Amino acid sequence: GESVGLHLPTLSVQEGDNSIINCAYSNSASDYFIWYKQESGKGPQFIIDIRSNMDKRQGQRVTVLLNKTVKHLSLQIAATQPGDSAVYFCAEAGTYKYIFGTGTRLKVLA
Amino acid sequence: KAGVTQTPRYLIKTRGQQVTLSCSPISGHRSVSWYQQTPGQGLQFLFEYFSETQRNKGNFPGRFSGRQFSNSRSEMNVSTLELGDSALYLCASRGQGIYEQYFGPGTRLTVT
Repeated sequence: GESVGLHLPTLSVQEGDNSIINCAYSNSASDYFIWYKQESGKGPQFIIDIRSNMDKRQGQRVTVLLNKTVKHLSLQIAATQPGDSAVYFCAEAGTYKYIFGTGTRLKVLA
Repeated sequence: KAGVTQTPRYLIKTRGQQVTLSCSPISGHRSVSWYQQTPGQGLQFLFEYFSETQRNKGNFPGRFSGRQFSNSRSEMNVSTLELGDSALYLCASRGQGIYEQYFGPGTRLTVT
């Protein structure tokens, strides 16, 4: 069936380093991909999105890369800060439906 | 603009009971989606409502149902609760024609 998964359940990085969180998806028909951040006790928060006709999109300190050939999505966080500690989800979206990955926990080490 | 609100935030129920959760979307958003979040399964899509009509449904049993009112507020109901229904239930709203969803803080349901 359709699925969106994550390669690493937990990622630990030093403060100031760059973080890369990876995601694999299976539905090549999805036309929209999103990254969410979820802090403890809160609902997921939108970070950045990318459409299937793009390869790269940059935001403030974050970059999303989409490789449709291998159905791979990644989130890069530059100069990781303690406030970046959270669980990160990728999601793929088609008409009226979203499929979320299981999440990667990012731990920022001081 | 106020965000998505969900009530109650925490709920404890006993097996066999039923529960109703409420979600108020961001003003102007007509689409409301519900998700179940558990440590083992992650975020699972339950259903989406748009203009009081269920537009899409996930793979959950018929014990899970929902509705949407004319003011776009939505409720979901779970009947005959099972222990496995213990989860964080999240509601998300979005504007028409866009993909970006805004999530509420969730309702933490514990079934004992």
